[in-house]
Amino acid sequence: ETGVTQTPRHLVMGMTNKKSLKCEQHLGHNAMYWYKQSAKKPLELMFVYNFKEQTENNSVPSRFSPECPNSSHLFLHLHTLQPEDSALYLCASSQDRQGHEKLFFGSGTQLSVL
Amino acid sequence: AQKITQTQPGMFVQEKEAVTLDCTYDTSDPSYGLFWYKQPSSGEMIFLIYQGSYDQQNATEGRYSLNFQKARKSANLVISASQLGDSAMYFCAMSPISSGSARQLTFGSGTQLTVLP
Repeated sequence: ETGVTQTPRHLVMGMTNKKSLKCEQHLGHNAMYWYKQSAKKPLELMFVYNFKEQTENNSVPSRFSPECPNSSHLFLHLHTLQPEDSALYLCASSQDRQGHEKLFFGSGTQLSVL
Repeated sequence: AQKITQTQPGMFVQEKEAVTLDCTYDTSDPSYGLFWYKQPSSGEMIFLIYQGSYDQQNATEGRYSLNFQKARKSANLVISASQLGDSAMYFCAMSPISSGSARQLTFGSGTQLTVLP
């Protein structure tokens, strides 16, 4: 148990559907992240939130829309996705202080877009 | 820009033996941190070990040690006394150490380690 919970664990959706991924951290951290892990590719950073403010958007298509209502919760809203968006989506959190700082990851949501 | 290279897509090791997973990196940042994560089939990324670029000694955490060679820009992970539960994907990652912003890790492509009984 890492303190970062993601739901759902698995999601299958059509290209016209709208769905949301949820992430919750119980570690008191102030930074949260969305990563995308596609087969045979390194993890790709999608979004970073620091104290609820979005600080990074790594050229992610607008069909992915993040939301961070507070420091403990992070959502990723999905709409009109493409089959190439099928991947494992990982949420992470960190304390965001100088020096040694590690990310704590959730177990991910395995997304399949049909 | 940062880049992490893991040249071993797959590795096999006999149970109870030691194994080294390779990682080289490239960065222009003067201060940085190097991380290793383990990802079992369940999907969760588990932090293993950290090495700061200015740390004088190589990091160790239980059976994990990091062979840090700054001049060669390498940060290899050594797992001693391998166990069947060590079978997983292993990722090397790095991040600049900077103030005022959340950490951003750049990951390598990973090495799939299989421990044989």
